[in-house]
Amino acid sequence: QLQLQESGPGLVKPSETLSLTCTVSGNSISSSSFYWGWIRQPPGKGLEWIGSIYYGGSTYYNPSLKSRVTISIDTSKNRFSLKLNSMTAADTAVYYCSRRRVRGITDYWGQGTLVTVSS
Amino acid sequence: DIQMTQSPSSLSASVGDRVTITCQASQDINNYLNWYQQKPGKAPKLLIYDASNLETGVPSRFTGSGSGTDFTFTISSLQPEDFATYYCQQYDNFLITFGQGTRLEIK
Repeated sequence: QLQLQESGPGLVKPSETLSLTCTVSGNSISSSSFYWGWIRQPPGKGLEWIGSIYYGGSTYYNPSLKSRVTISIDTSKNRFSLKLNSMTAADTAVYYCSRRRVRGITDYWGQGTLVTVSS
Repeated sequence: DIQMTQSPSSLSASVGDRVTITCQASQDINNYLNWYQQKPGKAPKLLIYDASNLETGVPSRFTGSGSGTDFTFTISSLQPEDFATYYCQQYDNFLITFGQGTRLEIK
């Protein structure tokens, strides 16, 4: 059974960089059939797609976040990562890692990790 | 960028009711439209993909239809476990956008 698990700090200071990792078990991250990505949800609000990565390293980012986001993949450790720089209070959210099939069909999600931006 | 307009933003209904949620894209997205259910404190769950295809294991009371810019999601007979928030999501040229969500509450 595929499982995705986010890890990283729950508290980040304003202007700092958020680093999260998603460890995948039960499926090779090198599969050519899937993309891996990040989605976030501010408390009490809707879902926002952050970006996706393919096992070969191709990345796709939300245009509104593109200047601050880097998603990378480590196939040897079966995990992928998110870096979001210049964090502000508006970036406070639950961050989900996910697997998607073609056409954005997101079929597996991590449990989510709450990241709070505060000094 | 493609914008998704989902309505209503909230809805009150009773067990056994039929409910419909709509999603409109700002431009033609073919049938690249997916629907998700999210319960409080949980990750979203895929229900419908490519506008009208039921994900494996999802009850048949959930259906989707539409193409182009206008899409509909229907629950034919509400069950107690269906009270949740529902999101549409579009895919276009590797970019993804979600609708604002519809909170389905018990009347």
